[in-house]
Amino acid sequence: GAVVSQHPSWVICKSGTSVKIECRSLDFQATTMFWYRQFPKQSLMLMATSNEGSKATYEQGVEKDKFLINHASLTLSTLTVTSAHPEDSSFYICSAPGFEAFFGQGTRLTVV
Amino acid sequence: AQSVAQPEDQVNVAEGNPLTVKCTYSVSGNPYLFWYVQYPNRGLQFLLKYITGDNLVKGSYGFEAEFNKSQTSFHLKKPSALVSDSALYFCAVRPPNTDKLIFGTGTRLQVFP
Repeated sequence: GAVVSQHPSWVICKSGTSVKIECRSLDFQATTMFWYRQFPKQSLMLMATSNEGSKATYEQGVEKDKFLINHASLTLSTLTVTSAHPEDSSFYICSAPGFEAFFGQGTRLTVV
Repeated sequence: AQSVAQPEDQVNVAEGNPLTVKCTYSVSGNPYLFWYVQYPNRGLQFLLKYITGDNLVKGSYGFEAEFNKSQTSFHLKKPSALVSDSALYFCAVRPPNTDKLIFGTGTRLQVFP
């Protein structure tokens, strides 16, 4: 099946700094990418949809200036958590749409 | 509002016994239905899907799921559980005319030796 590679798998950053998470489609082209956030013992919350060649579409309640999403090419989408704070600590997962949806490995972000 | 319910936070089963993880949904139209498994600090892995046709769907690792339209359910099953099946399982629904998935809250499966 299709492969989505997400990097890094984990990151620890200081409060106030920014962190970039990359999601690449390795063997196919993805014009859109979904970004999810997962809280401990909870389900996946869709944050936004990145769109190649246009602005990302954010779900209600998601801060656009905090979570910058860019779809630079047909194989790369990025999520940048700006001015991170401890409450941004979470597990972030990207997913390329398809019949089955193809998920990245996830990124564990810890803000200290 | 469209939603997916997984009524059990955790399911415990002894190795070798059959297992069932429940899922019901509330979505208009004829949605696509999915099961995914997640291991700690990992992304989701696809297990199986129902699009149309036979109500019993077979998937990866010996799992299967039964679609019941009248009960709007899509329960995950396995005839004989393995300790290695212990993980977090998510039911998901894709409503018609969208690529977005709606996830249930997840069920932690614990298989004891």
